[in-house]
Amino acid sequence: DTAVSQTPKYLVTQMGNDKSIKCEQNLGHDTMYWYKQDSKKFLKIMFSYNNKELIINETVPNRFSPKSPDKAHLNLHINSLELGDSAVYFCASSQMNTEAFFGQGTRLTVV
Amino acid sequence: QQQVKQSPQSLIVQKGGISIINCAYENTAFDYFPWYQQFPGKGPALLIAIRPDVSEKKEGRFTISFNKSAKQFSLHIMDSQPGDSATYFCAANFPGGYQKVTFGTGTKLQVIP
Repeated sequence: DTAVSQTPKYLVTQMGNDKSIKCEQNLGHDTMYWYKQDSKKFLKIMFSYNNKELIINETVPNRFSPKSPDKAHLNLHINSLELGDSAVYFCASSQMNTEAFFGQGTRLTVV
Repeated sequence: QQQVKQSPQSLIVQKGGISIINCAYENTAFDYFPWYQQFPGKGPALLIAIRPDVSEKKEGRFTISFNKSAKQFSLHIMDSQPGDSATYFCAANFPGGYQKVTFGTGTKLQVIP
């Protein structure tokens, strides 16, 4: 039973399109995150939500809009996709001050 | 600004050898230092973690050494195995409230038979 699941695993799309990535966690955690991992494997936090409230927004372009319908779900919608958005996006969850549990990632390729 | 510096970028170790990955941090407010292991095509997974009131933590073949005064910590993998080949990330968390993890840049470890 997957703890943090995100869909789709792969996403190939053209520049200018709008796409969404969905994330669900069944760990009962209060906090969820989106991370971006670039081609050099660097992991950078994008957003953090706690109990459906936005806590962290790390200077991400406003083309990226997270939405948390409840504390078990955190979706990421991306408008007007650009080549530079190509990366692996990870959803994660945690309880306060403990380790994060990551999903398997969504590899986004913008062509 | 890279708040957690990690080295080396890549590491090749023979089976049975010791793998050592080093990290240094700048912000003394960090109070939780996890290490994550990531296999290709998978998300990072917690390997071992330490808090700054402890100088060493060992779990099986994995040991974290922590030097608070030097603001450095390291991961030692004893008796390295080919199955340990992965990318390793050190990280640092701020205390209390909501977790904001700052990751190191990663070390790609290859253990050769």
